[in-house]
Amino acid sequence: QSVLTQPPSVSAAPGQRVTIYCSGSTSTIGKNFVSWYQHLPGRAPRLLIYGNDKRPSGIPDRFSASKSGTSATLAITGLQTGDEADYYCGAWDSNLGAGGPWVFGGGTKLTVL
Amino acid sequence: QVHLQESGPGLVRPSETLSLTCTVSGGAISPYHWGWIRQPPGKGLEWLGYIYYIGSTNYNPSLKSRGIISLDMSKNQFSLNLTSVTAADTGVYYCARYLLTDGFDIWGPGTIVTVSP
Repeated sequence: QSVLTQPPSVSAAPGQRVTIYCSGSTSTIGKNFVSWYQHLPGRAPRLLIYGNDKRPSGIPDRFSASKSGTSATLAITGLQTGDEADYYCGAWDSNLGAGGPWVFGGGTKLTVL
Repeated sequence: QVHLQESGPGLVRPSETLSLTCTVSGGAISPYHWGWIRQPPGKGLEWLGYIYYIGSTNYNPSLKSRGIISLDMSKNQFSLNLTSVTAADTGVYYCARYLLTDGFDIWGPGTIVTVSP
């Protein structure tokens, strides 16, 4: 069972908006920055969001994220079939002190209907 | 542009040591952290550990001291050694550049490792 909790799956139609939630704790999301990753089958994961809400260069502004308390949310607007992938949230876990570990959510499979 | 490429045996026998190497091209090892992440079949991502360019390391406690990450600056490579492997160590192994609070920004394509007799 993952330290960060995500819904196993979400779905929406092309052009629609979808949100993916990531629930953590005080020692994870509550104290540390959240990042989000897109993982297409057979491909390397791609960093979508870092520092809770920042997009690396090259990531479309259709992808956005926010954090509140011990939870984080990834939103994708204008859904495209190419967005079908697994999405993971990640954060440092300060429960054991400065040594971490880094933890990922269990992943959410996005289906574009 | 920085690229990462994992290499190593695709098949490892139980109780033996898994050795993987990540080659960094298009950029230098310093001054970054470099990490290993794996994905068991049908499961999510699991962080294994990282190494800082000066050689300091940090590991996931779940490895129970079986993992060692090392650097070879002359070859622009870093490596993962995982001892006493079992079937539970089967999966896709990724190397990645780690930006601390900003997460993992560059990933290798991954390499499949199977632990089987």
